[in-house]
Amino acid sequence: NAGVMQNPRHLVRRRGQEARLRCSPMKGHSHVYWYRQLPEEGLKFMVYLQKENIIDESGMPKERFSAEFPKEGPSILRIQQVVRGDSAAYFCASSPNRALSTEAFFGQGTRLTVV
Amino acid sequence: EDQVTQSPEALRLQEGESSSLNCSYTVSGLRGLFWYRQDPGKGPEFLFTLYSAGEEKEKERLKATLTKKESFLHITAPKPEDSATYLCAVQAENDMRFGAGTRLTVKP
Repeated sequence: NAGVMQNPRHLVRRRGQEARLRCSPMKGHSHVYWYRQLPEEGLKFMVYLQKENIIDESGMPKERFSAEFPKEGPSILRIQQVVRGDSAAYFCASSPNRALSTEAFFGQGTRLTVV
Repeated sequence: EDQVTQSPEALRLQEGESSSLNCSYTVSGLRGLFWYRQDPGKGPEFLFTLYSAGEEKEKERLKATLTKKESFLHITAPKPEDSATYLCAVQAENDMRFGAGTRLTVKP
């Protein structure tokens, strides 16, 4: 049973380009969380999704950021017109459900660098 | 607003010197409190989940405890390989909120 898979591991984008970060949850997991981590800081919640639904996007910037978790395929975090301040590590976590409050398992992250 | 505060920010120990890390929280409707270990350049690695006050869990040299306001991660006789950042998170209604972490360094 593979763990949470994120790709790419490293992504370099020029200012103004789009960044697409992918997250494949663990097998059997239908809940996905995205977090952003700046150097020397903790993880900041961005968005919580279930299959085909955004449950909570209270941590997402209002502009340029969007997320989806389609019925088939990985969850995608999309950042349009990237700026230098978007440079960070983006982590995805998955869990089998919310109701039982089970642990969430994290991927290895995507490190985005905007140049 | 839900808050998670970890202390200290950084902790340096000699090998074998036991200590505790603190995680204090204010959250409505706590569903669980989690401890993770994070090594540089890697994703957080799950350690424990605690659900109710008074609960304790152990794994090798680590023991996590929970009260209504805080959790402690006790490290007994640490080794250099225990050096990492330890993250605490609380799960409320829709998300997990993380603290900023405690960076632990264990010197041989």
